[in-house]
Amino acid sequence: DTGVSQNPRHKITKRGQNVTFRCDPISEHNRLYWYRQTLGQGPEFLTYFQNEAQLEKSRLLSDRFSAERPKGSFSTLEIQRTEQGDSAMYLCASSPYASVLTGEQFFGPGTRLTVL
Amino acid sequence: QKEVEQDPGPLSVPEGAIVSLNCTYSNSAFQYFMWYRQYSRKGPELLMYTYSSGNKEDGRFTAQVDKSSKYISLFIRDSQPSDSATYLCASGGRSGGGADGLTFGKGTHLIIQP
Repeated sequence: DTGVSQNPRHKITKRGQNVTFRCDPISEHNRLYWYRQTLGQGPEFLTYFQNEAQLEKSRLLSDRFSAERPKGSFSTLEIQRTEQGDSAMYLCASSPYASVLTGEQFFGPGTRLTVL
Repeated sequence: QKEVEQDPGPLSVPEGAIVSLNCTYSNSAFQYFMWYRQYSRKGPELLMYTYSSGNKEDGRFTAQVDKSSKYISLFIRDSQPSDSATYLCASGGRSGGGADGLTFGKGTHLIIQP
């Protein structure tokens, strides 16, 4: 399968714990995006990387959230001191340089986080 | 007011009908527009994209963008039960390029009755 992959697919944690999610983009896609989706809502943009550089952060990305993309390949999203309001589907998307005019982004299956 | 508005439905139509899904947006800077299909508990799947105003057709799907009225549409011909899903419209390009995070509508839940 050459699509975007995300791990784990499901994560259940207790309030106050830290969690980390991983995203592997489509090979040779230089842009990588993180979104959050809650029930009944569309995905909301969190942050994006071009290669290893984090170029934009949404105001939704509080200081408890941190994202990295070392070496411009896979990315991790960490949430520290989780709160019940963090329960959501965390989606990763990637896009190739060729989409610089068209903006196409290809999504992974998501990681569903439940904070108890 | 959200930047992209979409009626959440549900929209229920009989098999074989033509389906019309719509969104409006408020940010004139948006340059490109996309439709994604999302099945329950899955990631969004890109269906169609258009750049600026105009129509684009792909099989049973036609996407239309009218920038003068800030209106985005998706038409599905000969609808099938397998088309039952949530359809998300998305807009991007505020900064003048294709690298922006997308702004999504809430999604319309579509049900095709056999």
